[in-house]
Amino acid sequence: GESVGLHLPTLSVQEGDNSIINCAYSNSASDYFIWYKQESGKGPQFIIDIRSNMDKRQGQRVTVLLNKTVKHLSLQIAATQPGDSAVYFCAETAAGGFKTIFGAGTRLFVKA
Amino acid sequence: DAGVIQSPRHEVTEMGQEVTLRCKPISGHNSLFWYRQTMMRGLELLIYFNNNVPIDDSGMPEDRFSAKMPNASFSTLKIQPSEPRDSAVYFCASRGGGREKLFFGSGTQLSVL
Repeated sequence: GESVGLHLPTLSVQEGDNSIINCAYSNSASDYFIWYKQESGKGPQFIIDIRSNMDKRQGQRVTVLLNKTVKHLSLQIAATQPGDSAVYFCAETAAGGFKTIFGAGTRLFVKA
Repeated sequence: DAGVIQSPRHEVTEMGQEVTLRCKPISGHNSLFWYRQTMMRGLELLIYFNNNVPIDDSGMPEDRFSAKMPNASFSTLKIQPSEPRDSAVYFCASRGGGREKLFFGSGTQLSVL
């Protein structure tokens, strides 16, 4: 396999606070990135994407930041809600390719 | 649209038995992916198809694993013979043209005893 996740990082935040989830991607040739959310017992679901010609992209309550220099991606969730509790994965696709590779994931706990 | 449909939802089998997992992608999608998810290794890409043709199967762990896509609306992942270390959640995902987002099914929870 191409994704290794030995210990899932965990982020615990208070309801209403902002959350920042980080991801270090592996392939400098990757040019398309997606954040997915996985709730218990379900498959990953698309949240937001960004292409390498952008540094930032905003959605509803979510923002993705891309730093190609250090191969770093982050997901910011504004006003975190209990329903945001899930595992979040970043995924990368290399330029000219179709294969999507997932990072290890981060578990987000939202305290009410 | 019903989304990506996987069956069975759960499968419990004994070591040595053949296991077949099924997937129906979203109509009109031309790429299909099989992933395996475990606590130790996260989400691993096993194989993907484009227009029903296997493009990259480098993630298939062993010859015991095989995948087919006989038509645009159906794919199978077969494990023969199954082993306890194959226990995992297996996801199928599909995608439309290009390199856009993946749509995942609900997964098959496989337990090999």
